[in-house]
Amino acid sequence: GNSVTQMEGPVTLSEEAFLTINCTYTATGYPSLFWYVQYPGEGLQLLLKATKADDKGSNKGFEATYRKETTSFHLEKGSVQVSDSAVYFCALDSSYKLIFGSGTRLLVRP
Amino acid sequence: DVKVTQSSRYLVKRTGEKVFLECVQDMDHENMFWYRQDPGLGLRLIYFSYDVKMKEKGDIPEGYSVSREKKERFSLILESASTNQTSMYLCATGGSRTDTQYFGPGTRLTVL
Repeated sequence: GNSVTQMEGPVTLSEEAFLTINCTYTATGYPSLFWYVQYPGEGLQLLLKATKADDKGSNKGFEATYRKETTSFHLEKGSVQVSDSAVYFCALDSSYKLIFGSGTRLLVRP
Repeated sequence: DVKVTQSSRYLVKRTGEKVFLECVQDMDHENMFWYRQDPGLGLRLIYFSYDVKMKEKGDIPEGYSVSREKKERFSLILESASTNQTSMYLCATGGSRTDTQYFGPGTRLTVL
């Protein structure tokens, strides 16, 4: 069945460091791929999405590229801020249901 | 903006109690979902509904039921709460022509 695997956290970085959170998937067909973010005490918010191979989703300085050949959708940001501290979830669309990875906690220190 | 509200942010119940969690959305979305979130497990789908009075089991429906009498409202019911149902419960909605889902703030349920 379809599944998502993302790197375990927590990831701890200093402010202005480069961020990569790895995500790989297993799926039949070509699902849409998502990154959702959950700030402390809140529900999930859509961060970015990509709907087909080689698409790049971007938002708030974050980027991820849909790589069909490596079945990956890694999240990157060039310079993180303390306000980026949150839990990040990779997900794929499976017939309008979302399948989520286990989440990666990011902690950014001043 | 899509608004998804959940009836409680925090809830404490005793084992064996019947528990109702309610979710209301204001965007006329056809699809509504209930997930539970547990550390290290991510989000797991309990039930979803694609229309009024329609429901489908998700990956972990055991011990839960749902009700959707109106398009904007989707209720999750724990018939007899157990301690292993202590979790964060998240409601989400989505339109029929989009794969994006919009989440409520969550209800943290503790069953003692």
